Amino acid sequence: NAGVTQTPKFRVLKTGQSMTLLCAQDMNHEYMYWYRQDPGMGLRLIHYSVGEGTTAKGEVPDGYNVSRLKKQNFLLGLESAAPSQTSVYFCASSYGGRGSDTQYFGPGTRLTVL
Amino acid sequence: AQSVTQLGSHVSVSEGALVLLRCNYSSSVPPYLFWYVQYPNQGLQLLLKYTTGATLVKGINGFEAEFKKSETSFHLTKPSAHMSDAAEYFCAVSGSGSARQLTFGSGTQLTVLP
Repeated sequence: NAGVTQTPKFRVLKTGQSMTLLCAQDMNHEYMYWYRQDPGMGLRLIHYSVGEGTTAKGEVPDGYNVSRLKKQNFLLGLESAAPSQTSVYFCASSYGGRGSDTQYFGPGTRLTVL
Repeated sequence: AQSVTQLGSHVSVSEGALVLLRCNYSSSVPPYLFWYVQYPNQGLQLLLKYTTGATLVKGINGFEAEFKKSETSFHLTKPSAHMSDAAEYFCAVSGSGSARQLTFGSGTQLTVLP
């Protein structure tokens, strides 16, 4: 049982390049999330999904797109990377959408945009 | 709207001393409260959470937190710090709505001195 995994662990991009981050979970969770973590700001929600084939915007969605084609996978895309998107990206999943449900986090992807 | 304030971005304690990390929240609905820990270069791991019932919540690694509604606080404590407790700690709040409303504080870096 691997929990939540993220690919890749590190990535360096040039401004304007595109990339996709992959998140996978093997806990059969319905809800999945993408966060970014910046120094002194905690975690901020980018996008989330309440089930296969659904996505919704979070607090800071601009410049990102997501897809949830399979229940176990949640992809985060950057179409044209900008230096402001330099951050650590975390994926999380939860069984349900109640406020009391625990979110389980992946190990993170450290992205640098030059 | 909901928010979390963690007082003290950096806290240092001696090994064996009391650990106290402060968290205050605001929420327009009865809150669910979480403490997560992040070890260097890792994802977030749940320490404990308050949902309903007993206001003193015990978590992993000897940590506990007390929900005080009158003070809108959820401070994290541990009677005796261990070197392995050095990490960053995040307080988070969600409302009675869906889990996508999880809001994080900015984090407290705990240093344990020998």
